[in-house]
Amino acid sequence: GAVVSQHPSWVICKSGTSVKIECRSLDFQATTMFWYRQFPKQSLMLMATSNEGSKATYEQGVEKDKFLINHASLTLSTLTVTSAHPEDSSFYICSARMGLASAHPTDTQYFGPGTRLTVL
Amino acid sequence: AQKITQTQPGMFVQEKEAVTLDCTYDTSDQSYGLFWYKQPSSGEMIFLIYQGSYDEQNATEGRYSLNFQKARKSANLVISASQLGDSAMYFCAMRERNYGQNFVFGPGTRLSVLP
Repeated sequence: GAVVSQHPSWVICKSGTSVKIECRSLDFQATTMFWYRQFPKQSLMLMATSNEGSKATYEQGVEKDKFLINHASLTLSTLTVTSAHPEDSSFYICSARMGLASAHPTDTQYFGPGTRLTVL
Repeated sequence: AQKITQTQPGMFVQEKEAVTLDCTYDTSDQSYGLFWYKQPSSGEMIFLIYQGSYDEQNATEGRYSLNFQKARKSANLVISASQLGDSAMYFCAMRERNYGQNFVFGPGTRLSVLP
């Protein structure tokens, strides 16, 4: 149980184009989903938190007009990188938490397999 | 200040031996959770073990155990009987009650298991 999928697993695009990444919780309802970015040999950095049916909360320094997040249902969140540039090339990972919106600190997040984005 | 510190960028261990990966954390919250994740070269984040701040017993999950020393604010991961498949990046993470639902990750430790 608690499986999270991401699609695509990798994508190569030209500079200036937009790319959409999907994150799905396959066997549970995710009230909250998280998007992380990981540069090579670095740790995961939280980009934004999205709750189903409401606007995402972005971390400081993350451009919300560039990284559009939509959490339209309890099993799907999407991240769209608009007008992608080479510096946006990274590994993007989503995670999902099941249960109520008010999280207990010990609630576990389940991670997707990640999407490797390369912008040429 | 760093919330999560992992002082070992890289570690080597002989197959079948035990290894300890260090993690120290910084929080003023009384209620928090500590987590360890494994990230192999494929990139997926695999949940290993967690410890709640009010848990009196150290957490164990199979070959993984967490050496939780609350007063020292450390939550070291112990892997017993290392296997070649344990070679990966290991991240310590924390969630604090007063900071909502977000994880804060440490910089990670790369573990290499030698045959």
